[in-house]
Amino acid sequence: DSGVTQTPKHLITATGQRVTLRCSPRSGDLSVYWYQQSLDQGLQFLIQYYNGEERAKGNILERFSAQQFPDLHSELNLSSLELGDSALYFCASRAGAADTGELFFGEGSRLTVL
Amino acid sequence: TQLLEQSPQFLSIQEGENLTVYCNSSSVFSSLQWYRQEPGEGPVLLVTVVTGGEVKKLKRLTFQFGDARKDSSLHITAAQPGDTGLYLCAGAVRYGGATNKLIFGTGTLLAVQP
Repeated sequence: DSGVTQTPKHLITATGQRVTLRCSPRSGDLSVYWYQQSLDQGLQFLIQYYNGEERAKGNILERFSAQQFPDLHSELNLSSLELGDSALYFCASRAGAADTGELFFGEGSRLTVL
Repeated sequence: TQLLEQSPQFLSIQEGENLTVYCNSSSVFSSLQWYRQEPGEGPVLLVTVVTGGEVKKLKRLTFQFGDARKDSSLHITAAQPGDTGLYLCAGAVRYGGATNKLIFGTGTLLAVQP
């Protein structure tokens, strides 16, 4: 158990819909990272938050948005869903923003868009 | 866009054999990590290397960071079925200020047959 909790574990929805994925980081970790993992693209970095503020952006689509709340949990919002958005979405946390410490991953949220 | 290429993509070997996985990029990384991911779970950190030329050993696993900090290798001696999994290298790239963005490699899927 990494200490990072992601909900829901599985989600099936239709194209055009909107979903919210939730992440609770390890206790005390200020940094939250979101990654998308698909068979053809591998593990793609989406976005990072540190203590409520956006710190780094990766290959995140404009249809996607995220935020980190004062209690440090984070949400990833995916809208106008397309078939190609089907993937495993991982949240990971780390104690700081600038260190090279271990990234602790949750078990992921598997999104299927039909 | 930084790209971390891993080779081979897939590797199926017999128990007791040795193997090497490579992680290459044209970018320089401030540090590099190796993770292993098992089905249904998130990646788990194996090692972090930060100095060019650094070699780290973790039981039967030997990790090396290239002198120019652009590449890395993972060598497994006498592989066991428990080593089966997806091996991912991840390079830390300066994003701005003191923030590191962690970019993952394309992955090597290892299957060790008993």
